[in-house]
Amino acid sequence: KQEVTQIPAALSVPEGENLVLNCSFTDSAIYNLQWFRQDPGKGLTSLLLIQSSQREQTSGRLNASLDKSSGRSTLYIAASQPGDSATYLCAVVRETSGSRLTFGEGTQLTVNP
Amino acid sequence: EAQVTQNPRYLITVTGKKLTVTCSQNMNHEYMSWYRQDPGLGLRQIYYSMNVEVTDKGDVPEGYKVSRKEKRNFPLILESPSPNQTSLYFCASSSTRYRGPRSYEQYFGPGTRLTVT
Repeated sequence: KQEVTQIPAALSVPEGENLVLNCSFTDSAIYNLQWFRQDPGKGLTSLLLIQSSQREQTSGRLNASLDKSSGRSTLYIAASQPGDSATYLCAVVRETSGSRLTFGEGTQLTVNP
Repeated sequence: EAQVTQNPRYLITVTGKKLTVTCSQNMNHEYMSWYRQDPGLGLRQIYYSMNVEVTDKGDVPEGYKVSRKEKRNFPLILESPSPNQTSLYFCASSSTRYRGPRSYEQYFGPGTRLTVT
């Protein structure tokens, strides 16, 4: 059974700091890994999608890396801003599960002005 | 605009009163699914559908029903809601035919907050 773990569960940083969120998964037979952002009580916004054959993806100040063999992904946020405050979720699609996502519990990020 | 819509967005109901939460997508996606999100438990899949008339249980299907009569719609039915079904519900969809950099990317609806008293 696939399990996804995110560390830390919560993170508070001053504005402008570069930060790294971690995601690990137990079954390396994944099709892809997706990072989402969720604002309190809101829906999920897709940030980055990394296919299993890729090592990283970038979008603006965000960079996500994937090490499939070790079961790890990191989300790097450069020059953090208060507007980045949200919960960040990673989720994987296993090779044998079609489109089924298995989620981590998320990292709650607070960026202080 | 490509999107997944859910209705209602908020619902307060009483134990035992049947309800339906609708989900619709306009991207011609084959795959649709329902998740519930609870504090400390994260997002868990309830049911999913690989295509029209093809549905299957996820991790927490008890107390729920679904149907997929049309490709764009995937309603979630609670025949006899109970307080332990109070949760935030999300519908999602993705293409299983597209093969490219964004294959199997999941798109989520805005969520339905359900309270059962």
